[in-house]
Parts: sequence; C-alpha cells; structure tokens
Amino acid sequence: AQRVTQPEKLLSVFKGAPVELKCNYSYSGSPELFWYVQYSRQRLQLLLRHISRESIKGFTADLNKGETSFHLKKPFAQEEDSAMYYCALGVYNQGGKLIFGQGTELSVKP
Amino acid sequence: NAGVTQTPKFQVLKTGQSMTLQCAQDMNHNSMYWYRQDPGMGLRLIYYSASEGTTDKGEVPNGYNVSRLNKREFSLRLESAAPSQTSVYFCASTPAGGRNTQYFGPGTRLTVL
Repeated sequence: AQRVTQPEKLLSVFKGAPVELKCNYSYSGSPELFWYVQYSRQRLQLLLRHISRESIKGFTADLNKGETSFHLKKPFAQEEDSAMYYCALGVYNQGGKLIFGQGTELSVKP
Repeated sequence: NAGVTQTPKFQVLKTGQSMTLQCAQDMNHNSMYWYRQDPGMGLRLIYYSASEGTTDKGEVPNGYNVSRLNKREFSLRLESAAPSQTSVYFCASTPAGGRNTQYFGPGTRLTVL
C-alpha cells in the first residue's frame, strides 16, 4: 500500500531550538519524496525534494530507504518557520499524483 | 505569469445545491489535480488529469465530477452538495505526469450548510 505517515499533528519549539518533523512512507517502488509548506492562509509551496539534495531556508531532509523515512530537520528554528508542513510521496505510474501525509503544524515560540 | 488560479475564493452553499470550482494554469502544464484539505487528514486527491482529454479518479471521488476543458482549465463540479464536502479545495498542476513539482492554486474555501 502507498502511504505517508506524519506522526505528530503539532510540534512546538522555542526559537533557536533544533527541529525534526518526522515522515515515514510505504511504497514498493523507488520513492520520490517531497516536503511542502503552507504558511498561514497561503497556498502550498514546495520546500524541498529528496532528489535535489539541497537545503532550503536552512531545512534539510535525507531519504533513508532502510527506515522508509524522510524526516525534515533544521538546526535552529526561527519564528517565521511556523507553518503547516506536509510530506508527500510521488506516484509516477499513476499520472504523477502525490500522496500526502496528514501534516504537522510547527509552532516556533519566541 | 499568474501560475495556478482558482475561482471562487470562498463559497457558501446549501445542502443539495450545485456549483463548479474553476481552475486555470498558464504554465503550459500537462497534468492537473484537485485535492481537498481537511484538518487532521492532510490533502486527499479527488480527481486528476494526466493530460488533456483524460481524467481519472483519485482517493475520494464520490460526489464530484471533473472536466478537463482544454490544456489550461480543469473544473470540479459538485452536483448535489453535502455538509461532508465542506473543505478547502486546491487545484495543482505539473509539467508532466513524471518526476516534477506540483504547483498549487490559492484554494477555495467551501462551506455547505
């Protein structure tokens, strides 16, 4: 079965603290994973994708096929990071659709 | 370049009414998608169109129909709205049904009373 699980609905940290948003997936093929972010009342936008292996706004994510995980990390959280974060799995033999996790709301307190 | 646009931004319907949500993209993308976003459930795919002239069901298609009018436009129709369809609806597009980023519209907030 194709599934994405984000176990935390809400993650609350203080400014400057490290952040890790967890994502686990279930997929029989070669996965392509994404993190999307939605700031308050804005549209979803891509944060990063695993094949790019880049750091965006200080966030990184490493695909761990052994643990079927794609956790999002940032060493020092900023207040402007407060948003809803969605992990997504690309299913490319089915019209390029994405399967999203339930989302994690990140709240960074001053 | 407006990207992905959606109309209307907000809508309130009574149970049993019908309406069509419009989506258009000006990026010459092949594939388009409709999602609904509900608290605690993330985004769930309603229908998608891998290319002009084709449409397929997603995870939660019941109660909806779609039309891929041309390459730019992909509409979502609620024939007889129900309170369970109260949600935020997002349209998205991607250059091809392959390994590409999806670009999202601003969303339509729909309330069914």
